[in-house]
Amino acid sequence: QQPVQSPQAVILREGEDAVINCSSSKALYSVHWYRQKHGEAPVFLMILLKGGEQKGHEKISASFNEKKQQSSLYLTASQLSYSGTYFCGTEPSSYKYIFGTGTRLKVLA
Amino acid sequence: EAQVTQNPRYLITVTGKKLTVTCSQNMNHEYMSWYRQDPGLGLRQIYYSMNVEVTDKGDVPEGYKVSRKEKRNFPLILESPSPNQTSLYFCASSKQPGTPNQPQHFGDGTRLSIL
Repeated sequence: QQPVQSPQAVILREGEDAVINCSSSKALYSVHWYRQKHGEAPVFLMILLKGGEQKGHEKISASFNEKKQQSSLYLTASQLSYSGTYFCGTEPSSYKYIFGTGTRLKVLA
Repeated sequence: EAQVTQNPRYLITVTGKKLTVTCSQNMNHEYMSWYRQDPGLGLRQIYYSMNVEVTDKGDVPEGYKVSRKEKRNFPLILESPSPNQTSLYFCASSKQPGTPNQPQHFGDGTRLSIL
């Protein structure tokens, strides 16, 4: 089963913050986050490998709650360049890979 | 430049006419994978390959075939395409899963329309 992401879509003004959640009905052993701009390929943002881990890149960070089988992506002081669709991904078995349902983010000037 | 190259980028064809979408990577990655992307469904894995001559089914393998005869190439074959295979397809590669911090690198996508 695909991880479920929420919200499905969000519209922000530049400078506002957003949180995107990724929840799985199965155990999560690692969580990957990707961003896909319209008409382009997904681009890797970060991987979280264990529960409690938090990572950040510039003003985008993420957390991983292994017990709750959930990960959250935090976008702080959003910029126009943050617009796109965000996907979480996980490896339910050694080599299979499953992406979440996606969250469309639009940042307005 | 490290990259995953897919061809063609766009293809319109008719039901039943066999087609192949090629994928090549220049990063010496062991793992390669095909996904299809449909509105509201996100990215779904079709097939993946752990190494040369080793492939396995993803979540939506019906109607597709793959082969991995060389490490760098992983073509996707539609033997008898049908309209429900109209989609945006992505090839991706990475170092072996299970190795920490191994992101997938995606090709630019192939938009396939089957009439």
